[in-house]
Amino acid sequence: DGGITQSPKYLFRKEGQNVTLSCEQNLNHDAMYWYRQDPGQGLRLIYYSQIVNDFQKGDIAEGYSVSREKKESFPLTVTSAQKNPTAFYLCASSIQSTSGPYNEQFFGPGTRLTVL
Amino acid sequence: AQTVTQSQPEMSVQEAETVTLSCTYDTSESDYYLFWYKQPPSRQMILVIRQEAYKQQNATENRFSVNFQKAAKSFSLKISDSQLGDAAMYFCAPFLDSNYQLIWGAGTKLIIKP
Repeated sequence: DGGITQSPKYLFRKEGQNVTLSCEQNLNHDAMYWYRQDPGQGLRLIYYSQIVNDFQKGDIAEGYSVSREKKESFPLTVTSAQKNPTAFYLCASSIQSTSGPYNEQFFGPGTRLTVL
Repeated sequence: AQTVTQSQPEMSVQEAETVTLSCTYDTSESDYYLFWYKQPPSRQMILVIRQEAYKQQNATENRFSVNFQKAAKSFSLKISDSQLGDAAMYFCAPFLDSNYQLIWGAGTKLIIKP
């Protein structure tokens, strides 16, 4: 079955540590996205990538980094520079069409990150 | 700045009845798509329905339908014959940004009363 996997489901981090959240998709989608969700709020875009070896900052990229070395994978690193990293993180992917990215995004199950 | 407003933080409806969730947005774009997503307690984000702005006909998916008013920049979701499994957070997410970004509303929590 095609889909998006995120690991781990729960992650605990000590202050000052970097952590990496995994996101893998086997949908053959070109575009991938990372979102942050805080309680009572909608999703905020951290980074997105439309093609391998290329990515762009979203609204809240500070304190985060990404890589896109393979089409299937888009890991997110939460660095120690992120002041308030405790949140729910969602990874998504979508088809890129020649008419524009007007396609729905498919989501992974999410990773809950807690800073101790 | 492009914004999305979901004015109802929480709604409740009796099982089998109909409920409408509202969404308004602001954009200067003329061609865009709009989506409603559902996030149940499992937190898995699931697409409910999509609407293309250039289409005058409102989209429907089984018990889910939209009332799209382009001039008023309104995109409401109607759920008919509500079921217990419909209980979730519902997010309106228009695709307004040519930089490949969905713009997300804050969400409406839908409670289904048995």
